[in-house]
Amino acid sequence: DIVMTQSPDSLAVSLGERATINCKSSQSVLKSPNKKNYLIWYQQKAGQPPKVLIYWASTRESGVPDRFSGSGSGTDFTLTISSLQAEDVAVYYCQQHYNSPLTFGGGTKVEIK
Amino acid sequence: EVQLLESGGDLVQPGGSLRLSCAASGFNFGTYVMSWVRQAPGKGLEWVSSIATSGDDTFYAGSVKGRFTISRDNSRSTLYLQMNSLIVDDTAIYYCAKYRNDGGSHYAIFDYWGRGTLVTVSS
Repeated sequence: DIVMTQSPDSLAVSLGERATINCKSSQSVLKSPNKKNYLIWYQQKAGQPPKVLIYWASTRESGVPDRFSGSGSGTDFTLTISSLQAEDVAVYYCQQHYNSPLTFGGGTKVEIK
Repeated sequence: EVQLLESGGDLVQPGGSLRLSCAASGFNFGTYVMSWVRQAPGKGLEWVSSIATSGDDTFYAGSVKGRFTISRDNSRSTLYLQMNSLIVDDTAIYYCAKYRNDGGSHYAIFDYWGRGTLVTVSS
């Protein structure tokens, strides 16, 4: 199984400041034929189901504000919120869909400082 | 508008059984791979099972293999999860989630989720 490790477990950021979340996979999630990283970022607000933010490691989902961006390749990935807003308070998860079983990171809780 | 509505969650004793349902609407259900994903109280997300469009191919997490069975009725646009031999660690909110279909290629990008149904396994 591919293990997804997120860091930090939680972080507190001031409004308007940058938040950075890391995700590391135990093996590469980059598929050679299509050169895509099978890595997704989700946002889960309290009492709600998760919502896709980023897929293919760096493609923003339609309707997601451009302050959210994803980067990385192979085994190391980053989700960046360039200017934290109050509505961004949530838990963020990475997920690989390179192979089965599909696996998620443990989550990173983002709060306002 | 895509909607997924789970039902069937309940309090059940260890060793018991439960059947979850997910009623889908707003999209052509039979052309999408579907999944169940669970979340224990206060914990992270865990993929449980997926099923191909026709229902012929099914996939399970190791933690539920042999105990849970996923199925679908495309004529009713409904996804099911039969859960047997339940254990305390199965306690979770169970979400129904839809794969992305990109021109006939199915990707486990869960672009729509239901609100979930709570399963509690306790004596």
